[in-house]
Amino acid sequence: AQSVAQPEDQVNVAEGNPLTVKCTYSVSGNPYLFWYVQYPNRGLQFLLKYITGDNLVKGSYGFEAEFNKSQTSFHLKKPSALVSDSALYFCAVRVAYSGAGSYQLTFGKGTKLSVIP
Amino acid sequence: GAGVSQSPRYKVAKRGQDVALRCDPISGHVSLFWYQQALGQGPEFLTYFQNEAQLDKSGLPSDRFFAERPEGSVSTLKIQRTQQEDSAVYLCASSFDRANQPQHFGDGTRLSIL
Repeated sequence: AQSVAQPEDQVNVAEGNPLTVKCTYSVSGNPYLFWYVQYPNRGLQFLLKYITGDNLVKGSYGFEAEFNKSQTSFHLKKPSALVSDSALYFCAVRVAYSGAGSYQLTFGKGTKLSVIP
Repeated sequence: GAGVSQSPRYKVAKRGQDVALRCDPISGHVSLFWYQQALGQGPEFLTYFQNEAQLDKSGLPSDRFFAERPEGSVSTLKIQRTQQEDSAVYLCASSFDRANQPQHFGDGTRLSIL
């Protein structure tokens, strides 16, 4: 079984300040990890992924995430928040394997990010 | 290029009616997924297609839910005899056929059962 925990329902940050949205995961084996953003009445938009290699992953719109295997975490970060970053953020995991099978994602409950002008 | 297209965007139905939700994936994407997103929750997996083959339907909540992708492109999620607990946003996603590839989502169909 695989699971994702996003311990904060909401994160508030002032514009221009760094932001962090937390994610921890549980999976049997090595993980593939993803961050998505959702704006009101829209689908999920892919931000970045960790597959293998460098623990710091860079993605769209200046976002990055740090994979920490020992802490089973994949926190989303941005050095300087924008008001337009305000949205719902989802972390997702699937087990890493190359064989045939279902590539379903397991999502966290989401974290609402509010960037205050 | 065109993204994943879902229709209708909104659907209101009376309890007991049947509904059909359509998904048109990104051209060339072999894999297609359906998720259900309840209010205030993350998406939950319903079913997965590889081309026209439905390889995983473990997330379908009951036998009232049925999905198909007959020609390996457009998919339809059908819900028979709808119940109020079926009210949710239904998201479709598509991807290349690799576990390390991101899924690309449509804007969803918001289903409301009265």
